[in-house]
Amino acid sequence: AQTVTQSQPEMSVQEAETVTLSCTYDTSESDYYLFWYKQPPSRQMILVIRQEAYKQQNATENRFSVNFQKAAKSFSLKISDSQLGDAAMYFCAYARGADGLTFGKGTHLIIQP
Amino acid sequence: DSGVTQTPKHLITATGQRVTLRCSPRSGDLSVYWYQQSLDQGLQFLIQYYNGEERAKGNILERFSAQQFPDLHSELNLSSLELGDSALYFCASSVDTRDAASTDTQYFGPGTRLTVL
Repeated sequence: AQTVTQSQPEMSVQEAETVTLSCTYDTSESDYYLFWYKQPPSRQMILVIRQEAYKQQNATENRFSVNFQKAAKSFSLKISDSQLGDAAMYFCAYARGADGLTFGKGTHLIIQP
Repeated sequence: DSGVTQTPKHLITATGQRVTLRCSPRSGDLSVYWYQQSLDQGLQFLIQYYNGEERAKGNILERFSAQQFPDLHSELNLSSLELGDSALYFCASSVDTRDAASTDTQYFGPGTRLTVL
């Protein structure tokens, strides 16, 4: 079974600084998809970014980018120019085909003003 | 707003009871997924339906069941409720291509918070 590990239960960053959230996963498959979801205090799950394993290029979405290392099974999220609205729980997730998402336990991101 | 709706927002009930949670997917999405988020277990995939048929099963208890109707809305039925079933239940939907190797992005509803007393 696939597993997703987020080793940082909590991270803190100053507003306008850059922070990187770590995620590792375990799978024997070669084709799969990885996601970062954000869950603010409202509890809504919001997609941040998506990466296809067959793509070597790292995905980016405005201030959010990933460092995808397929051989190392690592998928970290970098948030540049951190803003107060970025404060949330961040979940890394794995999926393949029609299967449901397998989530990590999450990283609580605190933004210091 | 993801376009996925869930009702009710909150539900409080007693042990042993049965409840039904409802989900309407985004317009055009054929797949519906159900997830449970609890302090103990984190976010867990329960079950997926595609165009009315069950497609994938996760860690769903036998006391739980789901279905997807012809209009594509879905219901999750939880019976013989226990204290440990208290959680936030999410529904997500995706377009779902017919390519089994492809994974479409799932968009989540706001969730239903279930409290079992």
